[in-house]
Amino acid sequence: DARVTQTPRHKVTEMGQEVTMRCQPILGHNTVFWYRQTMMQGLELLAYFRNRAPLDDSGMPKDRFSAEMPDATLATLKIQPSEPRDSAVYFCASGFRGFGPNTGELFFGEGSRLTVL
Amino acid sequence: AQTVTQSQPEMSVQEAETVTLSCTYDTSESDYYLFWYKQPPSRQMILVIRQEAYKQQNATENRFSVNFQKAAKSFSLKISDSQLGDAAMYFCAYRGYSGAGSYQLTFGKGTKLSVIP
Repeated sequence: DARVTQTPRHKVTEMGQEVTMRCQPILGHNTVFWYRQTMMQGLELLAYFRNRAPLDDSGMPKDRFSAEMPDATLATLKIQPSEPRDSAVYFCASGFRGFGPNTGELFFGEGSRLTVL
Repeated sequence: AQTVTQSQPEMSVQEAETVTLSCTYDTSESDYYLFWYKQPPSRQMILVIRQEAYKQQNATENRFSVNFQKAAKSFSLKISDSQLGDAAMYFCAYRGYSGAGSYQLTFGKGTKLSVIP
């Protein structure tokens, strides 16, 4: 049963610490997204990769956040240094986009709940 | 930029009854996709139903159906014969049809649905 795997499920850390969240997209998918969910803002797009290349990271605070795909099986989202306002649930989603328009569904992981004290 | 609005933060329905969740969106594109996602307390984002804008026929999936009004930019979700397991947050989402950045999903703020036994 193919699924997007995210680690950790839960993370509690102190302000100023580095946090790394990892995502294993579904094998064969060529697009990966990072979303952040908070009560106030809802679901916000942070970054978007296609074929491991970043296409859009305009929603991500550049001074402290970074997103990478070192290989096709791993996407990472790093926060350094972390702040209490970063407390949220972070979702990774993957999908397949071929040439031209398509109806490819996005599959979401179970999310990583981050609490920064 | 596309926006998605869900005007009902919370809704409730009696078990076995029917409920309709509202969604409106704003776009200048003529072709696009619309989705309803369900997020139960487990946090998992589950695709409920999908509608392609070029299709006039409303999508249906078992007890779930949509009322898609393209001119009015309205996309409501009807849940028939509501079950206790339908209790969740429901998110309306928009996705463009083509272009480098249009594969991302833009979400509404969500509607929390409670099902009363």
